[in-house]
Amino acid sequence: ETGVTQSPTHLIKTRGQQVTLRCSSQSGHNTVSWYQQALGQGPQFIFQYYREEENGRGNFPPRFSGLQFPNYSSELNVNALELDDSALYLCASSSYRGFATNEKLFFGSGTQLSVL
Amino acid sequence: AQRVTQPEKLLSVFKGAPVELKCNYSYSGSPELFWYVQYSRQRLQLLLRHISRESIKGFTADLNKGETSFHLKKPFAQEEDSAMYYCALSGGGGSNYKLTFGKGTLLTVNP
Repeated sequence: ETGVTQSPTHLIKTRGQQVTLRCSSQSGHNTVSWYQQALGQGPQFIFQYYREEENGRGNFPPRFSGLQFPNYSSELNVNALELDDSALYLCASSSYRGFATNEKLFFGSGTQLSVL
Repeated sequence: AQRVTQPEKLLSVFKGAPVELKCNYSYSGSPELFWYVQYSRQRLQLLLRHISRESIKGFTADLNKGETSFHLKKPFAQEEDSAMYYCALSGGGGSNYKLTFGKGTLLTVNP
């Protein structure tokens, strides 16, 4: 059983650029969530994808967008990067089976994004 | 709105001493509460969830709806418990898709 993998591990961009972060879900998982973790803060929910559709979104502007592919891997895209976008971006997969409760999340190691 | 507060940024105890990591939440409905842990150089992982009513690695947490708290407790701390601990909340119904995390408490267990 493979865990959640994210790439790249580190990334440096300049303000105004665009970035794509990638995530491979744990085997058998059909749901992926993305979180932003700024320094000294807890992870903050960006959005979740279930079966290739956005299933919920946090308080992030539209320049944060995502995709989920048929194999359940996922991308997070951020346009027009701002300095405050510098953070650790975490991907988490889970197996949603239509229950009301939140299923256990399995996190990746994250991508550290620095915007200069 | 969902909110999770962990009042202690840092907590330091000696091995064998009891430890309690505090967590308070704000949510109007019936929440589901979790504790996640991140050991040094490891990824964030689930420690326990209140609906399971389980004890993991000697840790327990009781949901107190009256005090809106979900404190994590262990009677005898071990050095390997040193880690970053995050309390998290998931709303029921239509908002069960996301976790709201606290800022975390860094626990250090000294020998």
